[in-house]
Amino acid sequence: EAAVTQSPRSKVAVTGGKVTLSCHQTNNHDYMYWYRQDTGHGLRLIHYSYVADSTEKGDIPDGYKASRPSQENFSLILELASLSQTAVYFCATTGKGNNQAPLFGEGTRLSVL
Amino acid sequence: QQQVRQSPQSLTVWEGETAILNCSYEDSTFNYFPWYQQFPGEGPALLISIRSVSDKKEDGRFTIFFNKREKKLSLHITDSQPGDSATYFCAASANYAQGLTFGLGTRVSVFP
Repeated sequence: EAAVTQSPRSKVAVTGGKVTLSCHQTNNHDYMYWYRQDTGHGLRLIHYSYVADSTEKGDIPDGYKASRPSQENFSLILELASLSQTAVYFCATTGKGNNQAPLFGEGTRLSVL
Repeated sequence: QQQVRQSPQSLTVWEGETAILNCSYEDSTFNYFPWYQQFPGEGPALLISIRSVSDKKEDGRFTIFFNKREKKLSLHITDSQPGDSATYFCAASANYAQGLTFGLGTRVSVFP
């Protein structure tokens, strides 16, 4: 069964600290995405990747880095976490030629204090 | 400027009624419109989608009506059930590989 697994599911970080959110997929999909969702708001695209070892900037990349070391894994890195980055983060995947909307993970709830 | 707009923000219907959720967009290059359903504490799940070459898409109790000229679409949930209570997001893309643009969502509550 296709799956997108995010870890951790929740995290509390301190302002100025480094945070790494991880995403692992078993869908054999080429495309992977990181979105953030703020309370009461829609989702906004941070970074995405077409292929391993390559990432692209989405609509709100500032303050975030991404890493795609393999087809299955995609990480989101906050080098210097800030209060404004408190949100729920979702990883999603879709396949080349799949022509389907992305499949989402369960999310990581990040609180920056 | 919000590229994808949804209305209403929230909607309450009785069990068995039809819920109508509206969505409009700005970018005329958008050609793919998925709707996602999200329950609290979960990730969004694809509900139904439509491409701009079609004006209607049905899947069980869920139907999308699409008006390309007016850049509007709507999601109709017929025979609403309490289990349909969730937040529904309209999304759009010109190139699905480059990600989706989401609206702010409509929270639907269905009372028995």
